[in-house]
Amino acid sequence: EADIYQTPRYLVIGTGKKITLECSQTMGHDKMYWYQQDPGMELHLIHYSYGVNSTEKGDLSSESTVSRIRTEHFPLTLESARPSHTSQYLCASSETPGAADTQYFGPGTRLTVL
Amino acid sequence: DAKTTQPTSMDCAEGRAANLPCNHSTISGNEYVYWYRQIHSQGPQYIIHGLKNNETNEMASLIITEDRKSSTLILPHATLRDTAVYYCIVRVRNSGNTPLVFGKGTRLSVIA
Repeated sequence: EADIYQTPRYLVIGTGKKITLECSQTMGHDKMYWYQQDPGMELHLIHYSYGVNSTEKGDLSSESTVSRIRTEHFPLTLESARPSHTSQYLCASSETPGAADTQYFGPGTRLTVL
Repeated sequence: DAKTTQPTSMDCAEGRAANLPCNHSTISGNEYVYWYRQIHSQGPQYIIHGLKNNETNEMASLIITEDRKSSTLILPHATLRDTAVYYCIVRVRNSGNTPLVFGKGTRLSVIA
């Protein structure tokens, strides 16, 4: 069972607010990822990290930013939330190298911006 | 990573085997076939992976054709809890810094 956690699980917030979605893993994985998924749609990679102080943008352009100061922690921040940011945000991690190169996913944060 | 093609949706009767196909005709020699599934509103879950031999674990079996251009994920006795979107992904194993790219997958509905 993977040990990767996301908080909050649900968030309803007004336009213009700054928000931070938390993601933590206790497996010591080097690689961490953020995906965005609208209901019934594909997952899109928005950010990833190879390790501490390393961050990269994913395939889908996002107004969010990330940081990786500690191995176990990979928070995602929206400086000014807008209704277009309403979506589910999924965090994942994987080991380098991994026995199965498996990505483990957290339960997700469902964000609604009013 | 090679492109994959999967049916949009499939139905399966509870207790029967669910056979989910995946085409990956442009797969290269060092690319593996991975399967993940995503149950409604949850994060995707790893199921199985293989290179060229058939593989089996406690969740499923993976059958890869000899030419490796297609594969089939088999859930031997589908239950209602297997209703999910199933993703077939082809990539080089331990490919360094390449995250998984999820396509549209196959939406499997297990019917009582």
